Amino acid sequence: QSALTQPASVSGSPGQSITISCTGTSSDVGGYNYVSWYQQQPGKAPKVIIYEVTNRPSGVSYRFSGSKSGNTASLTIFGLQAEDEADYYCSSYTTSSTFVFGTGTKVTV
Amino acid sequence: EVQLVESGGGLVQPGGSLRLSCAASGFTVSINYMSWVRQAAGKGLEWVSVIYSGGRTYYADSVKGRFTISRDNSKNTVYLQMSSLRGDDTAVYYCAREGLGSSGYYHGYWGQGTLVTVSS
Repeated sequence: QSALTQPASVSGSPGQSITISCTGTSSDVGGYNYVSWYQQQPGKAPKVIIYEVTNRPSGVSYRFSGSKSGNTASLTIFGLQAEDEADYYCSSYTTSSTFVFGTGTKVTV
Repeated sequence: EVQLVESGGGLVQPGGSLRLSCAASGFTVSINYMSWVRQAAGKGLEWVSVIYSGGRTYYADSVKGRFTISRDNSKNTVYLQMSSLRGDDTAVYYCAREGLGSSGYYHGYWGQGTLVTVSS
């Protein structure tokens, strides 16, 4: 049950695009299309922004996009805005019927 | 509207026990899977435990044998019984429900969290 690997921090200027990677194994990220991404603002509960690799919940900006190749998933934020500054976590369902989260990435705008 | 309200957190001595509750409204806990996720101060999210609709339960290795997840369908509430608590169990504990969608294998709804502090 090792955490998925994410970069500790990513930064970008307003209007730019950034990508956050999330690397796991064939027992989690690579095993299913059940990768999700969460945004967490300071002092708040996490909020899902991407589920099942590419799907956005209702109300989530189209600027958030997810993808996956092999054991690595990615979250891209297009047209970076100041309000996107937050911590981001990936997560995956696993072959053991459990869940695992990523190490987290702090996005600075 | 889906709502999750955690309670039961507090200060407990090392080796002690505590039971967290997650009161749900707007849906039925027995037909959705429910998880507990924790976050130590300044650290990342850590999945702790899940109870599926059929009653199967699973745990993170870090809490296996010490924590027990359960639910009371009559109270529409999920619990996390924690025992043999250690300092590294200190964290905000969130209750989360499966999301909508074809599989539901993500945490679509979260409570506000309850703080557990293990210290002498």
